[in-house]
Amino acid sequence: DTGVSQDPRHKITKRGQNVTFRCDPISEHNRLYWYRQTLGQGPEFLTYFQNEAQLEKSRLLSNRFSAERPKGSFSTLEIQRTEQGDSAMYLCASSLVGISEDTQYFGPGTRLTVL
Amino acid sequence: KQEVTQIPAALSVPEGENLVLNCSFTDSAIYNLQWFRQDPGKGLTSLLLIQSSQREQTSGRLNASLDKSSGRSTLYIAASQPGDSATYLCAVTNAGKSTFGDGTTLTVKP
Repeated sequence: DTGVSQDPRHKITKRGQNVTFRCDPISEHNRLYWYRQTLGQGPEFLTYFQNEAQLEKSRLLSNRFSAERPKGSFSTLEIQRTEQGDSAMYLCASSLVGISEDTQYFGPGTRLTVL
Repeated sequence: KQEVTQIPAALSVPEGENLVLNCSFTDSAIYNLQWFRQDPGKGLTSLLLIQSSQREQTSGRLNASLDKSSGRSTLYIAASQPGDSATYLCAVTNAGKSTFGDGTTLTVKP
């Protein structure tokens, strides 16, 4: 069990560009979550998947944001036409529902800076 | 809408002191409550998870309690050490969605 991994760890982009982040959950975890965190704040829920199905999306997730989890394994989060307000740490977490206590295990995050 | 508040926002204590961090939430319809630790610039590390039917959980020097009816949880840290310095976050989960507080930043001075 190697834990949750995220790639890249840091991303600097210019306003208006598209960016894509990847998250690899703990193997066999059926739930995967995306959060956004800004300095001094707690993580804000963006969306979550159970297997390949996206079950809920926050109203924070504008139409510029899209997430996928093909085949119920890794997930990608894409931000189109980035804005300076998108600068934040994007965190991914996974959990195993139905057997364990549904403890969420977090990855190290991807820090996005939009210039 | 669920709201989670953590008080105090920051806390500084001398090494060896016992301390309590507080978390309150507005909607008692929760599935579980989880306490996390976050070091600067890093992801979150799970400390303890309390199911809605439980009252407390313990791990080493940490003890977390849950009073769902009053919308409160506490994290008790015994015999604090400088290595405990970090931001502590609580999160309540319902229907797959977790709501976090903004955390308490703890500094333990040698």
